[in-house]
Amino acid sequence: DGGITQSPKYLFRKEGQNVTLSCEQNLNHDAMYWYRQDPGQGLRLIYYSQIVNDFQKGDIAEGYSVSREKKESFPLTVTSAQKNPTAFYLCASGASENREKLFFGSGTQLSVL
Amino acid sequence: SQQGEEDPQALSIQEGENATMNCSYKTSINNLQWYRQNSGRGLVHLILIRSNEREKHSGRLRVTLDTSKKSSSLLITASRAADTASYFCASYTGGFKTIFGAGTRLFVKA
Repeated sequence: DGGITQSPKYLFRKEGQNVTLSCEQNLNHDAMYWYRQDPGQGLRLIYYSQIVNDFQKGDIAEGYSVSREKKESFPLTVTSAQKNPTAFYLCASGASENREKLFFGSGTQLSVL
Repeated sequence: SQQGEEDPQALSIQEGENATMNCSYKTSINNLQWYRQNSGRGLVHLILIRSNEREKHSGRLRVTLDTSKKSSSLLITASRAADTASYFCASYTGGFKTIFGAGTRLFVKA
């Protein structure tokens, strides 16, 4: 799915556990995004980052955290504070000069054990 | 807040038929885009129509935009089984804000 790699494809979380989803891109894009997708619903923005060492909360940031230490990488941590984490998580990136077009990874399905 | 709403939620057609799906949005937009998602995969960008455009074509895709009604439609002509997927409209309001609809699930029967 473009030059964006998400891993793992499937992830299981135990009660009270933090888990981290990986997202790496080789498109040289400045902007990166994390979306959550629930069945039958559209994508909801969790966090986005315009540039290295900067990130902003989206519409549903509670219970999630991110970091952007490198341009290529934007990992998402689902913390124990997120009480309903089961969902399909999608990472995306976009060029600064063309923010409107997003490139997506293939997603991570997170489930609770 | 979810801005786009799509209709129908699901659509089942025969191969060779045309498929039309509609999208409505609530606020002013810079442009509207359509994405496709195969089951369990990421979204792929299909086409973008700007707020000052009324119609756009790309291969078998035709998109219309009516800003007075805040609505858009995506037409896929001569559909194929490989077109089976979910289709999402996405309204871009500027900056880093793209808002996605709930999607239309299209099933094309061979």
